Amino acid sequence: AQSVAQPEDQVNVAEGNPLTVKCTYSVSGNPYLFWYVQYPNRGLQFLLKYITGDNLVKGSYGFEAEFNKSQTSFHLKKPSALVSDSALYFCAVRDAYNFNKFYFGSGTKLNVKP
Amino acid sequence: NAGVTQTPKFQVLKTGQSMTLQCAQDMNHEYMSWYRQDPGMGLRLIHYSVGAGITDQGEVPNGYNVSRSTTEDFPLRLLSAAPSQTSVYFCASRPEGTPGTEAFFGQGTRLTVV
Repeated sequence: AQSVAQPEDQVNVAEGNPLTVKCTYSVSGNPYLFWYVQYPNRGLQFLLKYITGDNLVKGSYGFEAEFNKSQTSFHLKKPSALVSDSALYFCAVRDAYNFNKFYFGSGTKLNVKP
Repeated sequence: NAGVTQTPKFQVLKTGQSMTLQCAQDMNHEYMSWYRQDPGMGLRLIHYSVGAGITDQGEVPNGYNVSRSTTEDFPLRLLSAAPSQTSVYFCASRPEGTPGTEAFFGQGTRLTVV
């Protein structure tokens, strides 16, 4: 069965510091991994994805994610956090057999303090 | 370009009432889906559709019906609302194509069943 785990409910970081939001996955076959961000009272917005190729994926708003096959992880990173990055972040994996099914993690609330 | 539009944004229902959550997209996407978002549980797939006339169940389909008569619209029907259906509902669409294509989300409908 496919699944995604986000082990941290909340991550606190000071503005200007690097941030990491963790995600581990379990999937049959090659993983298709995604990160989405949700601002208050808004829908989910796509940030980046890993399909194949380079393990370091760059996305929107200066975010990047590192795919690690041996650790089955896909952590979201940013070198210098902004207060405006404060939001809820979701990791997702596509079903290996049904391209229309996505499995989401429980979400991590990122708080960036000035 | 409106993207994915959900109506209403907020709704309060009494137990046993029925209602339809509307979802429309103007991107000519073949794939559409409905998720519910509950605290600490991320997004869970309710139903999805791969094209007009074709629908299938997701992880949590009980208590919900869908139909897809056009490419643009994918309404979600609650036949007899229950307090357990209090949640935030998101509609998403995705273009046909490579399996790594990301989904586009609406802004959500916050439903409270009393």
